[in-house]
Amino acid sequence: ILNVEQSPQSLHVQEGDSTNFTCSFPSSNFYALHWYRWETAKSPEALFVMTLNGDEKKKGRISATLNTKEGYSYLYIKGSQPEDSATYLCASNYNTNAGKSTFGDGTTLTVKP
Amino acid sequence: DAGVIQSPRHEVTEMGQEVTLRCKPISGHDYLFWYRQTMMRGLELLIYFNNNVPIDDSGMPEDRFSAKMPNASFSTLKIQPSEPRDSAVYFCASSSGGAGGNTIYFGEGSWLTVV
Repeated sequence: ILNVEQSPQSLHVQEGDSTNFTCSFPSSNFYALHWYRWETAKSPEALFVMTLNGDEKKKGRISATLNTKEGYSYLYIKGSQPEDSATYLCASNYNTNAGKSTFGDGTTLTVKP
Repeated sequence: DAGVIQSPRHEVTEMGQEVTLRCKPISGHDYLFWYRQTMMRGLELLIYFNNNVPIDDSGMPEDRFSAKMPNASFSTLKIQPSEPRDSAVYFCASSSGGAGGNTIYFGEGSWLTVV
């Protein structure tokens, strides 16, 4: 059974703070790592897909890094805004069944104005 | 682009009734996924298709659940008979080529309540 873990479970920050979350995943047979942003009552929205060790991706104030050898990814948000409040999910895929994503439980971010 | 379209958005049904959820993937996408989200288990993959063929249905809870994809633009997830523990949000998603390494686009979900 694959176990994808995210930490922290929840995070409360002030507007303007920078923050980061961690996604840990089994590194054996790794294929890809996905990050999603999920607002309440909406559908998960893809942020990044990363496959190579050392990958770094950036979208506006949000960026992510990937370490496939040790099995972790970081998601960074620079200068958090209230509209960044959401649950951030990561999911990993493996060569043994590349189409199947295993999701973590998410980190719920609340940004206070 | 219309995105992944799911129907119904909300359904309340009585235990024992048949429930059919529908999904239209993004045109041109060759992978289609059905996910279920519950408080207890989070987001879990039920089944996925590649070019209309089921590839992995190991996440389907039991025989009461079935999924079909008769063509590239339509899929159904059926629960018969439904039970209260099936209450959840069911998401359909699609992607183009090499599902593991490409962006997956989710529909807005079908919120099912079985009473």
